[in-house]
Amino acid sequence: QVQLVQSGAEVKKPGASVKLSCKASGYTFTTYYVHWVRQVPGQGLEWMGWVNPKSGGRNYAQKFRGRVTMTRDTSINTAYMELSGLRPDDTAVYYCARVYDSSGYYDHWGQGTLVTVSS
Amino acid sequence: SYVLTQAPSVSVAPGQTASITCGGDDIGSKTVHWYHQKPGQAPVAVVYDEIDRPSGVPGRVSGANSGNTATLTISRVEAGDEADYYCQVWDSITDYRVFGGGTKLTVL
Repeated sequence: QVQLVQSGAEVKKPGASVKLSCKASGYTFTTYYVHWVRQVPGQGLEWMGWVNPKSGGRNYAQKFRGRVTMTRDTSINTAYMELSGLRPDDTAVYYCARVYDSSGYYDHWGQGTLVTVSS
Repeated sequence: SYVLTQAPSVSVAPGQTASITCGGDDIGSKTVHWYHQKPGQAPVAVVYDEIDRPSGVPGRVSGANSGNTATLTISRVEAGDEADYYCQVWDSITDYRVFGGGTKLTVL
């Protein structure tokens, strides 16, 4: 069955970087885009961007450009999201999710990774 | 950037019908997806491509989209329907995904 398994919780200090992983299984990794969505505690879902596992192409939300990098390693079916210059308001649960094409829906999500930014 | 507007909360008695709306400029021209999210869990799609349901979602859940409003309708509401509901579209101009702010459905 399709699974997206994310790395474990992280605690970081302001100014640091965090790199999260999302390991895919149960399908051909290169046929679905991987998107990253975050959720600040008590708030809604916020789209961050995507990486195309086949080509490595990516697109980031304007809000995160300059701070976020999304990559993938097709040899181990894993997507990554690195966020730099962490601030306390980056404290959130970060989800990866797969989607087939531009207008498609997220049919599978990772379990989420809590990133806490605190001094 | 494209904005989707949802009411923060909707309350409905068991057995009644809940309507959750998602407003956006000419949203009727876009493809809308809906997700629900229960506390501590990842979101789960309940309606995609405006009217289709993933396997396992009951027929009493339906979607519609026209003009400036998309609507998720849940008939014969049950306690298990209590969750946060989010609409989502693809903005073709920016190639961004956009989520509504979410609606908390409370079953009285």
